Amino acid sequence: DAKTTQPPSMDCAEGRAANLPCNHSTISGNEYVYWYRQIHSQGPQYIIHGLKNNETNEMASLIITEDRKSSTLILPHATLRDTAVYYCIVRDPLNTGTASKLTFGTGTRLQVTL
Amino acid sequence: NAGVTQTPKFRVLKTGQSMTLLCAQDMNHEYMYWYRQDPGMGLRLIHYSVGEGTTAKGEVPDGYNVSRLKKQNFLLGLESAAPSQTSVYFCASSYSRGGRTGELFFGEGSRLTVL
Repeated sequence: DAKTTQPPSMDCAEGRAANLPCNHSTISGNEYVYWYRQIHSQGPQYIIHGLKNNETNEMASLIITEDRKSSTLILPHATLRDTAVYYCIVRDPLNTGTASKLTFGTGTRLQVTL
Repeated sequence: NAGVTQTPKFRVLKTGQSMTLLCAQDMNHEYMYWYRQDPGMGLRLIHYSVGEGTTAKGEVPDGYNVSRLKKQNFLLGLESAAPSQTSVYFCASSYSRGGRTGELFFGEGSRLTVL
């Protein structure tokens, strides 16, 4: 699986959009981009994933650059409850040989403030 | 709708003791994983399984053993606990096919302290 690079921390004012970047310059053609978040010490929670098209769901939007070397997770109206560590991961979900490389790194700690 | 359930949620061990963490999922997922998370660090993969009866090593497998005798259960064993194994352990499961392929569902974690 491709390695990802994320900033260690970010701040965002409540009600504003939070834009969390992720670099994955070595991503291969079959690898998807996944985003998870971990609130306090709970188990990580799936947010969204995509291959090359932008994606949107009830939680967030995912913007993937045309060359697929980076992506941005957008929380359109951040709330205090969005304070968490956000992890960006790339993997080929159908390649069982890459399952051993499914590690999460240290992610981006997003602090939403009043 | 239980999802992924881990037992126990808390445990204190003495050095050298053994124990088993149980992970159960009711979503008929093929893949299951065990992670550990140390303070201020990300999740590191210990062992994983791509199906009943199969297991494989992850990033930090030493000191742990696993078994997947039934599709819905994935056991993580510590034969001789060491203080370095003090951590929070997370189990996860995922589909191998279909529209939600690759999405991991996590349990709430098991906090283990080895004295």
